[in-house]
Parts: sequence; C-alpha cells; structure tokens
Amino acid sequence: SQKIEQNSEALNIQEGKTATLTCNYTNYSPAYLQWYRQDPGRGPVFLLLIRENEKEKRKERLKVTFDTTLKQSLFHITASQPADSATYLCALYSGGYQKVTFGTGTKLQVIP
Amino acid sequence: DVKVTQSSRYLVKRTGEKVFLECVQDMDHENMFWYRQDPGLGLRLIYFSYDVKMKEKGDIPEGYSVSREKKERFSLILESASTNQTSMYLCASSLEGRDEQYFGPGTRLTVT
Repeated sequence: SQKIEQNSEALNIQEGKTATLTCNYTNYSPAYLQWYRQDPGRGPVFLLLIRENEKEKRKERLKVTFDTTLKQSLFHITASQPADSATYLCALYSGGYQKVTFGTGTKLQVIP
Repeated sequence: DVKVTQSSRYLVKRTGEKVFLECVQDMDHENMFWYRQDPGLGLRLIYFSYDVKMKEKGDIPEGYSVSREKKERFSLILESASTNQTSMYLCASSLEGRDEQYFGPGTRLTVT
C-alpha cells in the first residue's frame, strides 16, 4: 500500500544551524511534492512545491530536494531561527483527479 | 490573498446530533477538501470536490457526507455525531489538484 513516512520523533537543533527534514514514500509515483508548515491549533501553510522532473527548489532560507530514485525528499532550513519551530508536513500528488496525501509531519524545535 | 473561512473555531455537540461544518473560499478555486487531524494520525482526507455538485470520497468518508452547491462553499455533514468524530476539522481549497492547498483555521469539534 502507499505510504509516506516522516520522522515521528521531534527534531531539536541549535539556532543558526541547518535543519534537515526527511520525507520518504513507497508504492507511489508522485508528480508533485509539496511542503507545508503547521503551527499548533492552526491550518497548514504552503511553503514549496517541487515537480518530479526537478531536483531542487529554493525559496529564501528553504531548500527542497526530490529524488525519485530514492523515493525521498529532503527539506532544509538554513540559518534556523526559533520562529522556524513548527511541524512540517510533506504532501504527494500523483496527477489527474487524484487526491493529495499528507505525511504525519515532523516537529522541529529550534533552540536559542 | 486567498482566504478560506470556516464557520466555527470551536464546537461542542452531543452524540446523535446532526452537525454542519461550513467552509467558504474567496479565490474561485475549483477544488475543495475536508480533512480531519488527530494526534499521531496526521491529516486524513474525508471528502473532496473538484467541481460544483461533484464529490469524491477520501480515505475516511464513513459517517460523513458533503455538499457543494456553489463553487465557493463546501459543507461537511455529520449525520449522527459520535464521540469518535471528536477531532480538528480542516477545510482547504486549491486552484487545480496539483496546486498548493490553502487551509482554513480549523474547527475543533467535541462530541460528548
């Protein structure tokens, strides 16, 4: 069956370091992969989208990579700040009228 | 800016009651979605709609129905609320299936 895996353990890093979050998937051929940020008690907010034919996408301090051979996406936040503390979700879309499927998210804590 | 609004932030209902959750988006998006989010289980899709009067079942449609009579409005109906439907309910919209989703603030429903 289709499966999306994100680290269920929280990730704690020191302010200023680069945070790297992982999204692995199996039995899936996503055409698009998205990353969202979610703060407690709020709806997710879209951050970045990467297509299957793109290897890397950047936006300010954020970078996403997409390796369809490894079936993995990495999400990097450089020069992390306490304000980056949140849960980050990856989501996969296969195309057509297919739904988007979300991972369970990884909680990031940036320690001052 | 896209705005997705939900009718209530918090709702308390009794077992067996019929519950209506309303969602409105103001950006003329084709697609609308209803999710529920529970700790450890992530976002799970209940129903989605890619056009007026069209609906598709998501991963957990049992116990729910939906209505989309107008493009901007997507309603989730709990025909007979049960305690296991206590959850955070999130509505989202997107221009097309592959595009980023814009989420509402969520409704925290408690069924007693």
